Amino acid sequence: AQSVTQLDSQVPVFEEAPVELRCNYSSSVSVYLFWYVQYPNQGLQLLLKYLSGSTLVESINGFEAEFNKSQTSFHLRKPSVHISDTAEYFCAVTPQGGKLIFGQGTELSVKP
Amino acid sequence: GAVVSQHPSRVICKSGTSVKIECRSLDFQATTMFWYRQFPKQSLMLMATSNEGSKATYEQGVEKDKFLINHASLTLSTLTVTSAHPEDSSFYICSASPGQGMSTLHFGNGTRLTVT
Repeated sequence: AQSVTQLDSQVPVFEEAPVELRCNYSSSVSVYLFWYVQYPNQGLQLLLKYLSGSTLVESINGFEAEFNKSQTSFHLRKPSVHISDTAEYFCAVTPQGGKLIFGQGTELSVKP
Repeated sequence: GAVVSQHPSRVICKSGTSVKIECRSLDFQATTMFWYRQFPKQSLMLMATSNEGSKATYEQGVEKDKFLINHASLTLSTLTVTSAHPEDSSFYICSASPGQGMSTLHFGNGTRLTVT
C-alpha cells in the first residue's frame, strides 16, 4: 500500500521569502507524484507532476519539486513567494495506473 | 485545457431530503470519474470510482445506498446524497481523466453541501 506524509500542516512565511513544503511517501512499487493547490472553496489545480525522466520538475508560476528516490521525498519549493500563493497544497501519489492518494495538506500562508 | 465542471457549487438542504451533484467533463470523454469528500482542514478522501455504463466501485466504509452514483454517459457522472443528515455536510469534489491512469487527472471546483 502507498501512503503520503506532509510533515507540516501550516507554513507561515513573509512575502518574497523562500519556502519549502515537505512531502514523503512510501510505496513498494514505482509511483507517479503530484502537487496540487487548492484555493478556498475551490477544487484542486495541478501544480506539477513527476512521471519519469528528470527528477526536477517545474510549474509555470515558479514552483519546483525534486523527486528523491533514496529519501522517498518530493518536496515543493519556491525561491520567492507572493501573497497570491496563499492556499492549501496537497502532495499526492499513485502507483502507475492506480488510485490517487493524498497527503494531509499544508496550509501556506504568505504575509506582507 | 481539459475542464471538469461541477454543479451546484453550493447547496443547502433540509435533513431527510436528497441532493444531486453533477460532474461533467466539458471537452473530453471520461470512462472513469472519481468522487472525493473533504472535511474542513482535512485531505481528500476517495469515496467511489464511477464507471460509465456499469456500477460504481465504492471505497471501504462508504455506504452505497447513501451515496448513489450514476455514470450514464461519457461526460456526466452524478452523486446523489440520499436522506441527507447534518453529518453529510461536507465539500464534495469530482475528478476525471481524459486518458488512461492518473497522470492527467482534472478536478471540478467542488460542491459545498450543508444539511440543516
